[in-house]
Parts: sequence; structure tokens; C-alpha cells
Amino acid sequence: GESVGLHLPTLSVQEGDNSIINCAYSNSASDYFIWYKQESGKGPQFIIDIRSNMDKRQGQRVTVLLNKTVKHLSLQIAATQPGDSAVYFCAENIGGATNKLIFGTGTLLAVQP
Amino acid sequence: DTAVSQTPKYLVTQMGNDKSIKCEQNLGHDTMYWYKQDSKKFLKIMFSYNNKELIINETVPNRFSPKSPDKAHLNLHINSLELGDSAVYFCASSQTRRSGGTIYFGEGSWLTVV
Repeated sequence: GESVGLHLPTLSVQEGDNSIINCAYSNSASDYFIWYKQESGKGPQFIIDIRSNMDKRQGQRVTVLLNKTVKHLSLQIAATQPGDSAVYFCAENIGGATNKLIFGTGTLLAVQP
Repeated sequence: DTAVSQTPKYLVTQMGNDKSIKCEQNLGHDTMYWYKQDSKKFLKIMFSYNNKELIINETVPNRFSPKSPDKAHLNLHINSLELGDSAVYFCASSQTRRSGGTIYFGEGSWLTVV
């Protein structure tokens, strides 16, 4: 459950609207990026990933955009549904011989019916 | 079937106790991880094992000791529990130890130290 005093960046959208969640990553050497969705009381769930040699990748209702120039990642969710309400994390992998993810702080997506 | 399963889901214990969290994955993956999520939802890697070999060991107190009896299991043992150890601990696994392997998480173990 949520902790008292927890203040995550929050994005509030109406059901059916498109959502855009933004993330700034820290390491210019990162070569792999992932978006995870975490529902209350559950573990992070893989949504979509993108490698550094791409700038856009599409999945079902989701699109990830990567701008390496400004070290920015975004997740677009089309036709947002109540079931999309969750905390969304971006994660970067600094690459190399170990699969080590560095997570961002998370954004709470609240979908209003 | 649950891909990455960890037990217990909830654990309340007193300061000074020793406790373990168990993790198993049935995905056939070679690499397993422990992550810690604090009260601000910040997720941070603690350890990673590849085929029972320790490959990532972040700055974690040595009261935390991971043990991997085989590549499908990675347990976390914590000695002399402190109040600050209260957190959610996530086990995870991936096919590869190298960058780019999708990491799959378990449902978490909520540890509360009182």
C-alpha cells in the first residue's frame, strides 16, 4: 500500500485520453531502456523497451520515444483506461557485462472515469 | 504458473532478529536479482547472481547475504534486522546477465521491522 507522505509526481488523465509520461535518465552511456508498470501491492511489470540505436518503438497502445541528445525518455499510452492506473518507472541499463537497471523515481498515473 | 515467486509476501519481525526471504523462478533464466524498494517507491538493485555466481554486489550492509543453491533459486538472508531494513524486497530474473535482457520481477516481500 501507499505510505503516508508519499509524494510521487502524478499525472491525472480522463479515461479515453492519451497519456504521456516523461523520464530523464542520467547516463549518456546507457544503451537499453525499459518502462515498467507497478500496480499497488504488486511487482514491476514489463511494458516496453527500447535500445539506444532506436528513437521510437511501438507496442499495443504504448509507444516509447527516446531522445539521446537530451537524455529523455517518454511513454505514451493511447486511449488510457482505468486499468492503466499505476506507478510507472523508467529504467536505464548502463550496458556492458552486467544487466544492471537504474530506476527513475516513478510517476503515478491516475485515470479518472 | 507464477514465473518469479517469493516467500513470504509479508513479514513482521523484531529488531535484532535474523530472517530469510526465498525466491524461485521457473522461466529457465540464468540470472537472478534482489532489488529493494523503499517507502518513497525508489527501486535499487542489491545483488545479482548468474548461474550461482555473484556478479553484482551493490553497497549493501554485510548483514545481507544472498545465497543461490542453483540457478533457479536466490534467497536473501538478513542478520540483526534494523528498523531501516523495513522495505519491499523484489526478486527478479532475466535470461541473460548482459545488458538488454528483460528483467522480470516477483510480487515482492513486505518486510516490517518493529
